[in-house]
Amino acid sequence: QKEVEQNSGPLSVPEGAIASLNCTYSDRGSQSFFWYRQYSGKSPELIMSIYSNGDKEDGRFTAQLNKASQYVSLLIRDSQPSDSATYLCARMDSSYKLIFGSGTRLLVRP
Amino acid sequence: EPEVTQTPSHQVTQMGQEVILRCVPISNHLYFYWYRQILGQKVEFLVSFYNNEISEKSEIFDDQFSVERPDGSNFTLKIRSTKLEDSAMYFCASSEPFEVEQFFGPGTRLTVL
Repeated sequence: QKEVEQNSGPLSVPEGAIASLNCTYSDRGSQSFFWYRQYSGKSPELIMSIYSNGDKEDGRFTAQLNKASQYVSLLIRDSQPSDSATYLCARMDSSYKLIFGSGTRLLVRP
Repeated sequence: EPEVTQTPSHQVTQMGQEVILRCVPISNHLYFYWYRQILGQKVEFLVSFYNNEISEKSEIFDDQFSVERPDGSNFTLKIRSTKLEDSAMYFCASSEPFEVEQFFGPGTRLTVL
């Protein structure tokens, strides 16, 4: 199984700061990437999807994809304590199943 | 906003017993998935289902597992003879036709004693 790698964290940022979460993947053929947010004991919640190189913005969230370097990132602007969660990076393989990283835990300090 | 629902939220069973986990995908979705997450570990794919048949299954999805769409709304995962190592959160997900975004249900926590 070609992996998705994430730093487990925790990444600690003060309220109002930008949180930057990174993910690398090993399968060059991957085309579709996703960021999910998972609160403790809850299910993954889709935040962003990205399919093309470059940036994609949605509110306070920006996803970035660089296929040549095989990394995906998620920026969260104006971080809030409610953003404290584990952020899961996932790629979709050729059979449409999601392959998840182990997640990065984000802590936003008030 | 439509969402995936799952029942029960928590299932406790004895080793060797059969369990059925139920999911109601979003109504216009046609692709259905089961994933699981053992405590502290990654979310892992189990099986995908489309047009009333399995599209793909992982190595985890052995003969003890089966899926079924018994009617137009439910999608079930059956584990025939549970093992201790089956204890995990089981998530159902669904996606629209020709779309790749998958939306997850709240999960069923399965505890095998």
